[in-house]
Amino acid sequence: GQNIDQPTEMTATEGAIVQINCTYQTSGFNGLFWYQQHAGEAPTFLSYNVLDGLEEKGRFSSFLSRSKGYSYLLLKELQMKDSASYLCAVRDRGGYNTDKLIFGTGTRLQVFP
Amino acid sequence: GAVVSQHPSRVICKSGTSVKIECRSLDFQATTMFWYRQFPKQSLMLMATSNEGSKATYEQGVEKDKFLINHASLTLSTLTVTSAHPEDSSFYICSARDHTGRYMNTEAFFGQGTRLTVV
Repeated sequence: GQNIDQPTEMTATEGAIVQINCTYQTSGFNGLFWYQQHAGEAPTFLSYNVLDGLEEKGRFSSFLSRSKGYSYLLLKELQMKDSASYLCAVRDRGGYNTDKLIFGTGTRLQVFP
Repeated sequence: GAVVSQHPSRVICKSGTSVKIECRSLDFQATTMFWYRQFPKQSLMLMATSNEGSKATYEQGVEKDKFLINHASLTLSTLTVTSAHPEDSSFYICSARDHTGRYMNTEAFFGQGTRLTVV
């Protein structure tokens, strides 16, 4: 089966660094995505990891360890606008045209001044 | 990134009626589209996978006769909620994957979402 776990809520202070963890179990791993979602809006793509290691993109970085079934999203220099839900999603391999994204429960991050 | 357009963004309908939601890929061919449902403060739950020209694949627990999916062209998929009831009120989101061309299957692009309220 598939199982993706994230903390439900996190809080942090403006200017700080926060790390959001994601652990997963899936039968056919084919990549891990992080998305940001503001209330009432659709998710927006943040990062994609398919190989082990760290991917850095501006203030956001994402790390993957396939052997441990573990990823994290690191947000630096937090801003108030970073208050949102962060969704970890694993692409489950099912053959051509049948890969699908399975989403974790999402982590609601609240940034305080 | 690529653009996926979803329409309508909000709809209110009476219980027992049907509602159609459209999902269009505007600048790429989407051989696969996905339909999700999201309840308040919860994550996205995959309802079905839609492949152009073939029947949709529904996730366990999703009634295919209630949620009709049509993917007749490479740029359009529709979800019809039939005989809607208040418990169907939710945020419905589509996503589309580009298997050919620029984006090379590295991410799925999401529509803006549709807030359905059944009264």
